[in-house]
Amino acid sequence: DVVMTQSPLSLPVTLGQPASISCRSSQSLLYSDGNTYLSWFQQRPGRSPRRLIYKVSKRDSGVPDRFSGSGSGTDFTLKISRVEAEDVGVYYCMQGIQWPRTFGQGTKLEIK
Amino acid sequence: EVQLLESGGGLLQPGGSLRLSCAASGFSFSTNDMSWVRQAPGKGLEWVSSISATGDKTFYADSVKGRFSISRDNSKNTLHLQMNSLRAEDTALYYCARGTSNPGDWGQGTLVTVSS
Repeated sequence: DVVMTQSPLSLPVTLGQPASISCRSSQSLLYSDGNTYLSWFQQRPGRSPRRLIYKVSKRDSGVPDRFSGSGSGTDFTLKISRVEAEDVGVYYCMQGIQWPRTFGQGTKLEIK
Repeated sequence: EVQLLESGGGLLQPGGSLRLSCAASGFSFSTNDMSWVRQAPGKGLEWVSSISATGDKTFYADSVKGRFSISRDNSKNTLHLQMNSLRAEDTALYYCARGTSNPGDWGQGTLVTVSS
């Protein structure tokens, strides 16, 4: 199985400050079609997961542009340029290249 | 607007069976692969199963293989998950999601509790 490792697992951030979450996969997520299937999800307290980013850096419709994704191969990053109160929640990365699909452990973002 | 509405969850004893359903609307269901993802209380996300758009290909997590069966009815825009031989560790909120490589839309989930 592809193991997805996130860090940090807890992320206290001051409002207005940047935040960064790392996700590393045990195998390259580059598929034969040229796409890299790494997605980021946000789960606010008591809510369903919401996809923010797919294929490493493609932002979903309605996602604020303060969220950005980057990386390649096995190393990926989700960045929030200026954290707002509504960003509180747990963030997960997920690989979509191999079965079984696997998620990172989750990073809990809180306001300091 | 895409809508995914799960149903069928409940409380049951170990060894029991349950069938979850997910009613889809707002998109072309018959041309989309679909998935089930679960979340145990206070835990992270765990992929459970996926099915191709036509239903000819199915995939399962090792933890549910041989016990769960995913299916779909494209004439009714509905996804199903038949769960047999349920265990305490299957207790979770089960989400239906559109897509398999990078699921873009999620339902609100249906809670399955397995307890004696």
